[in-house]
Amino acid sequence: DVKVTQSSRYLVKRTGEKVFLECVQDMDHENMFWYRQDPGLGLRLIYFSYDVKMKEKGDIPEGYSVSREKKERFSLILESASTNQTSMYLCASSLGLSGANVLTFGAGSRLTVL
Amino acid sequence: AQKITQTQPGMFVQEKEAVTLDCTYDTSDQSYGLFWYKQPSSGEMIFLIYQGSYDEQNATEGRYSLNFQKARKSANLVISASQLGDSAMYFCAMREGLDNDMRFGAGTRLTVKP
Repeated sequence: DVKVTQSSRYLVKRTGEKVFLECVQDMDHENMFWYRQDPGLGLRLIYFSYDVKMKEKGDIPEGYSVSREKKERFSLILESASTNQTSMYLCASSLGLSGANVLTFGAGSRLTVL
Repeated sequence: AQKITQTQPGMFVQEKEAVTLDCTYDTSDQSYGLFWYKQPSSGEMIFLIYQGSYDEQNATEGRYSLNFQKARKSANLVISASQLGDSAMYFCAMREGLDNDMRFGAGTRLTVKP
């Protein structure tokens, strides 16, 4: 069964801490994505990557960075966590570029920043 | 501007009845794709159904069908014969042209009553 795996389901961090959210996919997908999900706002794209070491900003990249050193792994980094980054973070991957390509999601990482 | 609008924050349906979840979208592209995802309480986003802008027939997948009205820019999800397991958040999403990223609506929480 194909999978997108997010390393942590629940994290609690303190303001100012550096936070790493890890995502691994085993489908050999080219594209990987990080979304943030908040009630009433749906999912908002933070960053995506279309190839190793390549990245593009999404709608809300401020306060975040990403790393893709290997095709299967896409990391989201909060350099200095703030309380307004408390949220659910969803990683996804897709095979290609055309409109029909489906995103496959991980189970999500719920981050609380105190 | 909001690309995807889901106007129903919450919906209730009786078990075994049909329900329609509304979605309208905004795009000037001729080529785009529309998606529906289900998110149960476990958190993982599950792909349900896809409709391409050039598809002449409405998409169907089992109990799910997409009522695509291109001129009205609407892509409503119809779930027939609702089951208790259909209780979840439902998200409408769109990918325009060759864009890698996908834009999501705010979601509709469906509750199926026994």
